[in-house]
Amino acid sequence: QSALTQPASVSGSPGQSITISCTGTSSDVGGYNYVSWYQQHPGKAPKLMIYDVSNRPSGVSNRFSGSKSGNTASLTISGLQAEDEADYYCSSYTSSSTLEFGGGTKLTVL
Amino acid sequence: EVQLLESGGGLVQPGGSLRLSCAASGFTFSSYAMSWVRQAPGKGLEWVSAISGSGGSTYYADSVKGRFTISRDNSKNTLYLQMNSLRAEDTAVYYCAKDRNPELWFPTHFDYWGQGTLVTVSS
Repeated sequence: QSALTQPASVSGSPGQSITISCTGTSSDVGGYNYVSWYQQHPGKAPKLMIYDVSNRPSGVSNRFSGSKSGNTASLTISGLQAEDEADYYCSSYTSSSTLEFGGGTKLTVL
Repeated sequence: EVQLLESGGGLVQPGGSLRLSCAASGFTFSSYAMSWVRQAPGKGLEWVSAISGSGGSTYYADSVKGRFTISRDNSKNTLYLQMNSLRAEDTAVYYCAKDRNPELWFPTHFDYWGQGTLVTVSS
């Protein structure tokens, strides 16, 4: 059982927006702004999509955005495209000086 | 261009040992914390261990503490993971990952990942 809780799956049609939640505690998500989101396509290494809650690395589409409220972080993907279909993981630094990942969310583009 | 190339994976019996290596290039290796992250077949990501740029600070997940040791050789731009007392549940693809922020000595977020090396623990 992962320390950070994500929905197992979400889906949306092309052009729509979806949001994936990541719920932790005050010892991780709620206590630090070191929340990240990763995209992973089958058989590939993860790719950093969001860091420090809401920052996008260079080259990542502005259709991806992140936010946080209390102990829950969120990833929103707007204007869904077929290529967005993948697994998404959140992560957070913790008060134990470790890093936790969420269990992952499978995004299906209908 | 940043490159991370893992090696050392393979089949090992329960209770055995294995050492993974990660050769880094394209950045100032000693300036960045590095981590190992694993992914069991069909499962999610699990952070395993991290080490500061200087090598002076190390961090471990509870699941591997006391069995795994992370280290680095900054003169060789190489990261290591010594894995002892291996268990079936350690079976996974092991990725090395570079931390994005050179000013931090603890794991936060990873902007570059290797292609992974598969470790299988089975008799």
